[in-house]
Amino acid sequence: DVKVTQSSRYLVKRTGEKVFLECVQDMDHENMFWYRQDPGLGLRLIYFSYDVKMKEKGDIPEGYSVSREKKERFSLILESASTNQTSMYLCASSLKDTQYFGPGTRLTVL
Amino acid sequence: GQQVMQIPQYQHVQEGEDFTTYCNSSTTLSNIQWYKQRPGGHPVFLIQLVKSGEVKKQKRLTFQFGEAKKNSSLHITATQTTDVGTYFCATSSFGNEKLTFGTGTRLTIIP
Repeated sequence: DVKVTQSSRYLVKRTGEKVFLECVQDMDHENMFWYRQDPGLGLRLIYFSYDVKMKEKGDIPEGYSVSREKKERFSLILESASTNQTSMYLCASSLKDTQYFGPGTRLTVL
Repeated sequence: GQQVMQIPQYQHVQEGEDFTTYCNSSTTLSNIQWYKQRPGGHPVFLIQLVKSGEVKKQKRLTFQFGEAKKNSSLHITATQTTDVGTYFCATSSFGNEKLTFGTGTRLTIIP
């Protein structure tokens, strides 16, 4: 079974803090993705990576950056957290077209 | 990029009734995928359809891809409490593993 893990299920941060969300997959997938999920808006793609050190912007990259130094790990970085970044963050990796999601991190920015 | 509209946003049904969610696009889709997210959980892949007019079944779930490859539906027969959750359709562009998701249909079951 594919396993995608995320570093925290719940996280509370203050406005202006730098926030790291980590995602690890164990299936040697080349593609990894970061989404945020908000009520009524579905899943929106923030960034994705198709190889180590390669990244592409998704639909809503503003206020976020990513890092992929190793194939199994894809990090999402909020350089200076803001209250409008309070959300559920989901990481996924993919084999061909099928995406496998991690459990999600619910981030609250106060 | 590609966009998919999903309706309805919410559906409440009595246990045992049928349920259908629809996914529509103004452009031809290369494929359509369906995911289910249980309350408090994460999306889980259910199925992928790629051929025009394709129909696939998984027990009480029936998935269809339109003849023009611009729409798709997920139908659940005789819903059960275990069907509760949000159902998302998603599509990827040709040669690209990036998915575009619909906004989802949240199904609640009245026992």
